[in-house]
Amino acid sequence: GAVVSQHPSRVICKSGTSVKIECRSLDFQATTMFWYRQFPKKSLMLMATSNEGSKATYEQGVEKDKFLINHASLTLSTLTVTSAHPEDSSFYICSIRVGDAYNEQFFGPGTRLTVL
Amino acid sequence: GQNIDQPTEMTATEGAIVQINCTYQTSGFNGLFWYQQHAGEAPTFLSYNVLDGLEEKGRFSSFLSRSKGYSYLLLKELQMKDSASYLCAVMDSNYQLIWGAGTKLIIKP
Repeated sequence: GAVVSQHPSRVICKSGTSVKIECRSLDFQATTMFWYRQFPKKSLMLMATSNEGSKATYEQGVEKDKFLINHASLTLSTLTVTSAHPEDSSFYICSIRVGDAYNEQFFGPGTRLTVL
Repeated sequence: GQNIDQPTEMTATEGAIVQINCTYQTSGFNGLFWYQQHAGEAPTFLSYNVLDGLEEKGRFSSFLSRSKGYSYLLLKELQMKDSASYLCAVMDSNYQLIWGAGTKLIIKP
């Protein structure tokens, strides 16, 4: 399967600062990457769909000015949490889909963000 | 609205068999996925069903009935390492994945 990496795996920051999370597709060119957020004991919540060379598509209720997504190449998408607050503390996971019918989805290892 | 239902938690014994059910109501259907997620880790792909019937893959099998909006994941010969959350997800007509809340499976010796 496809290998997806994320960096950093854990980050602790102060309230009001910005944090950038990188998602890399190591062996597939991904025109589309997905960003999810998962709170403890909750399911994955799709935040946005990142499109290479164009603007990301955000899900309802997700602030695009707060969660900045940049998909500058076929192998890299970044999510920047701007002016982070404690309620932004969560597990952020990116993924790519491959296959003719998009029937294979591979996830990065996730980034645990803690905002103090 | 779109909805995926699966039990919150199940307990089973090492070496036994467990079946985790998933029912869904979605706008269209382009396949059903099962993922395993260990605590603090990202989900890993287990299975994909798009046609009715049973797909077997080693100790894990997944069943789908599209007419009933129903799937199950069957785990045989349970091992302690199978303790994890199992997520059911359905791809709708827009190729969006709709996720269930996951079933936490606890394996006891």
